[in-house]
Amino acid sequence: GENVEQHPSTLSVQEGDSAVIKCTYSDSASNYFPWYKQELGKRPQLIIDIRSNVGEKKDQRIAVTLNKTAKHFSLHITETQPEDSAVYFCAASTQGGSEKLVFGKGTKLTVNP
Amino acid sequence: GAGVSQTPSNKVTEKGKYVELRCDPISGHTALYWYRQSLGQGPEFLIYFQGTGAADDSGLPNDRFFAVRPEGSVSTLKIQRTERGDSAVYLCASSATGQGRAFFGQGTRLTVV
Repeated sequence: GENVEQHPSTLSVQEGDSAVIKCTYSDSASNYFPWYKQELGKRPQLIIDIRSNVGEKKDQRIAVTLNKTAKHFSLHITETQPEDSAVYFCAASTQGGSEKLVFGKGTKLTVNP
Repeated sequence: GAGVSQTPSNKVTEKGKYVELRCDPISGHTALYWYRQSLGQGPEFLIYFQGTGAADDSGLPNDRFFAVRPEGSVSTLKIQRTERGDSAVYLCASSATGQGRAFFGQGTRLTVV
């Protein structure tokens, strides 16, 4: 089955810096890759997603890149703000197949003012 | 409602007891997922419904766990003979078709004492 690895497990940056979180997946059939942000005690919140037919997607300060050949995808946050502090999860699924999301173990991002 | 709703938000039960957790998905969403999240981990897939039927129940850990969605809307996750290891946050998510974005509820925190 699918396995998703996520790095780093913790990341601390200064406000205004960029943050990059990386994930790798094992199943070449995976074709959908969402990212979720989870604040302490809250629900996971979808922040951006990408499908395998594109290599990059951007939404304001957030971007995701996908390398299908290498089976890895990354989340990029620019101009970080303290409110970006949270745990970020990557996930992968095979839409049109099993549909279930397989999650990474998460990255705790801390943005220091 | 506007989002996925889960009840109760917290449940404390004694070892060996039976519990039911409820999920009310976003209106019109045909796909519904149950996940379990332990402290410091990513959500772990349990079961996926498309309409009334369980399309994938490969994540249910054993036969003490069962879920239903009789009318294709509300779903109930049932756990028999609860064990302390069942303590976790149980998350529900729904998606318009199963090939789209999944939105999570706030979860039910289950504590087995």
